[in-house]
Amino acid sequence: DIQMTQSPSSLSASVGDRVTFTCRASQSVSTYLNWYQQKPGKAPKLLISGTSTLQPGVPSRFSASESGTDFTLTISSLQPDDFATYYCQQSYSKPPTFGGGTKVEI
Amino acid sequence: QVQLQESGPGLVEPSGTLSLTCAVSGGSVTSSNWWSWVRQSPGKGLEWIGEIYQTGDTNYNPSLKSRVIISVDTSRNQFSLQVNSVTAADTAVYFCARGSDYDSFLFDYWGQGTLVTVSS
Repeated sequence: DIQMTQSPSSLSASVGDRVTFTCRASQSVSTYLNWYQQKPGKAPKLLISGTSTLQPGVPSRFSASESGTDFTLTISSLQPDDFATYYCQQSYSKPPTFGGGTKVEI
Repeated sequence: QVQLQESGPGLVEPSGTLSLTCAVSGGSVTSSNWWSWVRQSPGKGLEWIGEIYQTGDTNYNPSLKSRVIISVDTSRNQFSLQVNSVTAADTAVYFCARGSDYDSFLFDYWGQGTLVTVSS
């Protein structure tokens, strides 16, 4: 299985901050890297697919990029609605696997 | 707008069988999508269990394959999960999800999740 490692596991930030967190794959996943946002008691919500493609309705303050097996998600100006846990996931090979998440806290 | 809704017992005894159903509305299980089960526990995070296509073709996570059966009922527009010989390690929130049109492992619609506790 491909292991996905996210860092940090949590971070504290304020509204308006620029935040970046990373996801590392244990082997190549090509561009099959996706990001989900999850709020307490809710299902994960697909934010970004194919490394950097924002899903419809996702604000443009979210962006993502990759460098080899390292992937980053950036929120340019943190908004109150963005406080959540973010998961990366590879859909390159079976079984699809998720990272352990980064919790963004106030 | 596709909606998924999980249902089933919230408590299962150890060594018993966990059975859940996912009802699909606003879409059809006979569309060209795969349908998955994903679970989330504090210990193992998010874990993909397996997927099914309208034809009944399935793929399972090797870590669970020996204990899992996923089936589809096209007449009721739903699909189901069965996990046998459960232990406390199977306690988790179970989600059903739809694989996207172009990547079956990209989950674009999810159910709200249902907590299943394995305990006597």
